[in-house]
Amino acid sequence: AQSVSQHNHHVILSEAASLELGCNYSYGGTVNLFWYVQYPGQHLQLLLKYFSGDPLVKGIKGFEAEFIKSKFSFNLRKPSVQWSDTAEYFCAVNGPGNNRLAFGKGNQVVVIP
Amino acid sequence: DAGVTQSPTHLIKTRGQQVTLRCSPKSGHDTVSWYQQALGQGPQFIFQYYEEEERQRGNFPDRFSGHQFPNYSSELNVNALLLGDSALYLCASSQDEVQSLHFGNGTRLTVT
Repeated sequence: AQSVSQHNHHVILSEAASLELGCNYSYGGTVNLFWYVQYPGQHLQLLLKYFSGDPLVKGIKGFEAEFIKSKFSFNLRKPSVQWSDTAEYFCAVNGPGNNRLAFGKGNQVVVIP
Repeated sequence: DAGVTQSPTHLIKTRGQQVTLRCSPKSGHDTVSWYQQALGQGPQFIFQYYEEEERQRGNFPDRFSGHQFPNYSSELNVNALLLGDSALYLCASSQDEVQSLHFGNGTRLTVT
């Protein structure tokens, strides 16, 4: 079974600071990897995804993530956060031919103006 | 606009009761998945419906059942409610690919 670990559940930082959220997964085969974001009062939205190819993936709103296969990791980064990045961020994984997503517990990120 | 609509938005039930939650997928989507999100946790996969049949199921008891209608909309039914069933229930639709999941705003179920 697939599982996803996200650390530092609560993150508080100031505007313009850099953000990095860790995501580690356990699955032995080929995986598809995702980061979802949930802004306050809104639905889960796809931030970015990795299927294959360049391990550095660019997403919306200046976010990027790097897939490191040897470390089973897919960390999310943003060089300079804004107050509007306050949200909960979820990492998710699925294997090929598997239509279910396994989510991590999420990171609650608060950006202070 | 989520595209995926769920109803109701909030629901309060008593232990032992039954509940039905509804989901209309995004236009053009034919696959509906249901997830349970307990407080402080990530969403957990319940099951997925495609062509009116349950295609995959997560680790949830038989008290959780579902249905998909010819118009692709879906229902999630939970029987014999337990306090532990209190959670946000999310519906997600896709065009037969998990890679393009679109989530609704969810139904907040409270069991007292």
